[in-house]
Amino acid sequence: NAGVTQTPKFRVLKTGQSMTLLCAQDMNHEYMYWYRQDPGMGLRLIHYSVGAGITDQGEVPNGYNVSRSTTEDFPLRLLSAAPSQTSVYFCASSYEGASQPQHFGDGTRLSIL
Amino acid sequence: GQNIDQPTEMTATEGAIVQINCTYQTSGFNGLFWYQQHAGEAPTFLSYNVLDGLEEKGRFSSFLSRSKGYSYLLLKELQMKDSASYLCAVSDSNYQLIWGAGTKLIIKP
Repeated sequence: NAGVTQTPKFRVLKTGQSMTLLCAQDMNHEYMYWYRQDPGMGLRLIHYSVGAGITDQGEVPNGYNVSRSTTEDFPLRLLSAAPSQTSVYFCASSYEGASQPQHFGDGTRLSIL
Repeated sequence: GQNIDQPTEMTATEGAIVQINCTYQTSGFNGLFWYQQHAGEAPTFLSYNVLDGLEEKGRFSSFLSRSKGYSYLLLKELQMKDSASYLCAVSDSNYQLIWGAGTKLIIKP
């Protein structure tokens, strides 16, 4: 059972480039999330989805897009990379939103030059 | 605003007991989670409290007081592998998790 799989694990981009971070889960979870983790700060929610075809903004959505065409996949797109988006990005999923623990992927370490 | 406070860093000795505190101010409360995160790795779930009191799970216990906006994670019989960051997160009125910055726990032999 793979759980939550994120690709790539590492990436370096130049300012202005775009890219897609992939996330897939095989646990049939309805809820999926994208977070960024920066030094000295808590995880911050970028976007989330409560089911296929439904997405919503989190705390820090600017500069990012998401889609949820299937239950399994939840890609995160950086439209025009900026140095402020240098971070570690985690994708997570849960069976439902309120009381179920979130299961995390291994993260994508992204540097924007 | 919403706020989760945890100590930045704590040091403890192998075999000892350590208590990591978390205080919170959030718009609504639908439960509190503790996660463990080793350096360079993903957070992993440790415990969930929604009612007041102590939940025990092996060497780890978690306590919640909703009236005080306070929780703690208690780690007993510390092992070197317990060196990690411990993250406190509260589910708010929108069922979104608000995360603390984490407490880095250093275990010394």
